[in-house]
Amino acid sequence: ILNVEQSPQSLHVQEGDSTNFTCSFPSSNFYALHWYRWETAKSPEALFVMTLNGDEKKKGRISATLNTKEGYSYLYIKGSQPEDSATYLCAFINQAGTALIFGKGTTLSVSS
Amino acid sequence: DAGVIQSPRHEVTEMGQEVTLRCKPISGHNSLFWYRQTMMRGLELLIYFNNNVPIDDSGMPEDRFSAKMPNASFSTLKIQPSEPRDSAVYFCASSSAGTAYNQPQHFGDGTRLSIL
Repeated sequence: ILNVEQSPQSLHVQEGDSTNFTCSFPSSNFYALHWYRWETAKSPEALFVMTLNGDEKKKGRISATLNTKEGYSYLYIKGSQPEDSATYLCAFINQAGTALIFGKGTTLSVSS
Repeated sequence: DAGVIQSPRHEVTEMGQEVTLRCKPISGHNSLFWYRQTMMRGLELLIYFNNNVPIDDSGMPEDRFSAKMPNASFSTLKIQPSEPRDSAVYFCASSSAGTAYNQPQHFGDGTRLSIL
């Protein structure tokens, strides 16, 4: 059974704090990892698609790294702002394309 | 540019009724995905189409669920007969040309389905 785990489940930080969370996935038969940002009452919005071991991607204050050999990806947010409050989802895709599995997400709350 | 359009936004119906959810993908996208989101199980992939052809329907829970994509701009997800445990938010997403899984997916706003 393929399992995608995200930790922590939820996180509360103060405005200006930097934070990071983890997505763990099966290290064999890796094809791609997606990160999505999901605000309450909206739909998931794509952040990154990562395919190569060692990939590092950045979008503004948000960045992500990928380690396919050990099966994890980190998402970093530098200088968190209240508008960063959302649930961050990762999705693992295997090489055969027969599995697209989302983690349960990390819910971030940023207080001003 | 219009995003993925789903209808209806909300549906409340009685157990046993047929439910039809609709999705219009982004123009030019050739992959379409149907997901179900529940508190217990999170976001689950139900079925994936590529160039209007169902590629992977292993996530479809049972025979009561069926999905079609008669053309590149329209897809339906049907539940017949519906049951209370089908209550969830159903999302449709599309992605652009290339291998479906190395392109980001664009999600619709979802249909919130309640079966009484």
